[in-house]
Amino acid sequence: QKEVEQNSGPLSVPEGAIASLNCTYSDRGSQSFFWYRQYSGKSPELIMSIYSNGDKEDGRFTAQLNKASQYVSLLIRDSQPSDSATYLCAVDAGKSTFGDGTTLTVKP
Amino acid sequence: DTGVSQNPRHKITKRGQNVTFRCDPISEHNRLYWYRQTLGQGPEFLTYFQNEAQLEKSRLLSDRFSAERPKGSFSTLEIQRTEQGDSAMYLCASRGQGSGYTFGSGTRLTVV
Repeated sequence: QKEVEQNSGPLSVPEGAIASLNCTYSDRGSQSFFWYRQYSGKSPELIMSIYSNGDKEDGRFTAQLNKASQYVSLLIRDSQPSDSATYLCAVDAGKSTFGDGTTLTVKP
Repeated sequence: DTGVSQNPRHKITKRGQNVTFRCDPISEHNRLYWYRQTLGQGPEFLTYFQNEAQLEKSRLLSDRFSAERPKGSFSTLEIQRTEQGDSAMYLCASRGQGSGYTFGSGTRLTVV
């Protein structure tokens, strides 16, 4: 079992819909949680960080954390074609461990 | 702040040759990380530095890999006697206290 698990997808949503991306992790000592967006052929770009249980909103993005369930999610509201990318979940306890990403396609 | 800079962007080498990559982090960041990423996989941790001290090295990293960060500034990653399995994107990232990573553009290594 991998330390950080994500559904590989692909996940396809129509433009304007809500995209929901999920991540589970195994290390209960993890303190920081991050979501990165990676376009094809590019390096990852940090889009959200969350450190405590609950929701954190930033524009169209909402990160949700449930440490008891060892679960992190990312919601993208009003999805745009430019959101089409691979989304990487990272769990940090000194260094980040990444999942293999979920590929999202937003269809116009 | 010019971001994290990696050189070269691409490297093609013959099997058995040595290669060296360079990373210049964001100047205010004291932590520097190296990761490797292959197609369809997430970044895989290699090693990290706090200032000039190498604090952790992946158990998956063979003795052919070595990294340095002299004077706590730029870092180099060297791969000796390259193998075809070393072909990957090598990513460098830096960060300040408690924040996420800022990645460089990566060095794509192809071993032929």
